[in-house]
Amino acid sequence: SYELTQPSSVSVSPGQTARITCSGDVLAKKYARWFQQKPGQAPVLVIYKDSERPSGIPERFSGSSSGTTVTLTISGAQVEDEADYYCYSAADNNLRIFGGGTKLTVL
Amino acid sequence: EVQLVESGGGLVQPGGSLRLSCAASGFTFSSYEMNWVRQAPGKGLEWVSYISSSGSTIYYADSVKGRFTISRDNAKNSLYLQMNSLRAEDTAVYYCARAVDYWGQGTLVTVSS
Repeated sequence: SYELTQPSSVSVSPGQTARITCSGDVLAKKYARWFQQKPGQAPVLVIYKDSERPSGIPERFSGSSSGTTVTLTISGAQVEDEADYYCYSAADNNLRIFGGGTKLTVL
Repeated sequence: EVQLVESGGGLVQPGGSLRLSCAASGFTFSSYEMNWVRQAPGKGLEWVSYISSSGSTIYYADSVKGRFTISRDNAKNSLYLQMNSLRAEDTAVYYCARAVDYWGQGTLVTVSS
């Protein structure tokens, strides 16, 4: 199926580890990307190719993959990491899909 | 510095048309695939359309196929989205994105009578 499923919300205290999952059949064959979006701002790429981190993205952001699930991990989450996070991938039919988004609360 | 600046959004009546533009700078535009992505108010991201670096390969989301047309002018470093037969559900902020690694700030399209 061409869907990516994310939890609607995740909540952690500052300094804790936040994990956001994204599941979908396409992830067994295609790389995923993760985007961070803060209110009123454009999305920012934080992970590509499942686990690669673009330059300028803090090391506390990491990604992993297992079968049909990818996971974004924020180690030692900070208040400024509070945002919506979206996974993204390409489907077999050349279309692109986003997950529904996860609201991360850090407080 | 990579810059993407969208323009052309506004208020349009249902059934109307609008053409969005995206001006690119700070990189070799002709070397990159481009995408349009939209976000309805209070909702998540929705991929709309893709165009390859040369413009020879194009894809559309099912929700806009047959109504929207993506194009590019590599000589002008510009990306376009022609939107026809607009519906209320097309109301969203429209972002252009360089291969989804860099995004513009978006332009708001409101479809309402």
